[in-house]
Amino acid sequence: KAGVTQTPRYLIKTRGQQVTLSCSPISGHRSVSWYQQTPGQGLQFLFEYFSETQRNKGNFPGRFSGRQFSNSRSEMNVSTLELGDSALYLCASSVADTQYFGPGTRLTVL
Amino acid sequence: GESVGLHLPTLSVQEGDNSIINCAYSNSASDYFIWYKQESGKGPQFIIDIRSNMDKRQGQRVTVLLNKTVKHLSLQIAATQPGDSAVYFCAEIEGQTGANNLFFGTGTRLTVIP
Repeated sequence: KAGVTQTPRYLIKTRGQQVTLSCSPISGHRSVSWYQQTPGQGLQFLFEYFSETQRNKGNFPGRFSGRQFSNSRSEMNVSTLELGDSALYLCASSVADTQYFGPGTRLTVL
Repeated sequence: GESVGLHLPTLSVQEGDNSIINCAYSNSASDYFIWYKQESGKGPQFIIDIRSNMDKRQGQRVTVLLNKTVKHLSLQIAATQPGDSAVYFCAEIEGQTGANNLFFGTGTRLTVIP
């Protein structure tokens, strides 16, 4: 079974721009969660989608949003990028409690 | 791992020795715990999990111990190999809320000396 895939793997943007990241979960997994990983804050939960609905949300500003499609693929969007948004964005899929992570998208904001 | 800026606890062990990585959690309502391994440039990789109704669980070369009294979790790696070098995270889920979001610890960097 293929693992979680994320595209693109690397992105460079400038302040004020917006960005969309994509995540394809493991086949059969309906839950997709997003995390931000930074050297200063570690791994922090952004939000979780299940059956196209946001089921849970972390403490991030409204500039961070996401959605899930009927095939369980998910996207997250960050608008009006700030320098502090530079991070590794990780997607994880699950069918029960255990979450399996993708390789992440490394976003650099200049 | 990616948490290079954090003051990560570090552990250096000789190849072939056993490793013990510790984690303290704060939420007494957490009822599911997972250990992840993260190598440089990769996402966290599931190692082993344990539920709060258990004290110990064993996998291949790994054992997780849970002490709910002191809210402490440990990961034991037997016969540590160079490929075990990575950052190890413990993560918890509070089951009562029905939420599926993981709360991660800061991680421990394990270095295996050949």
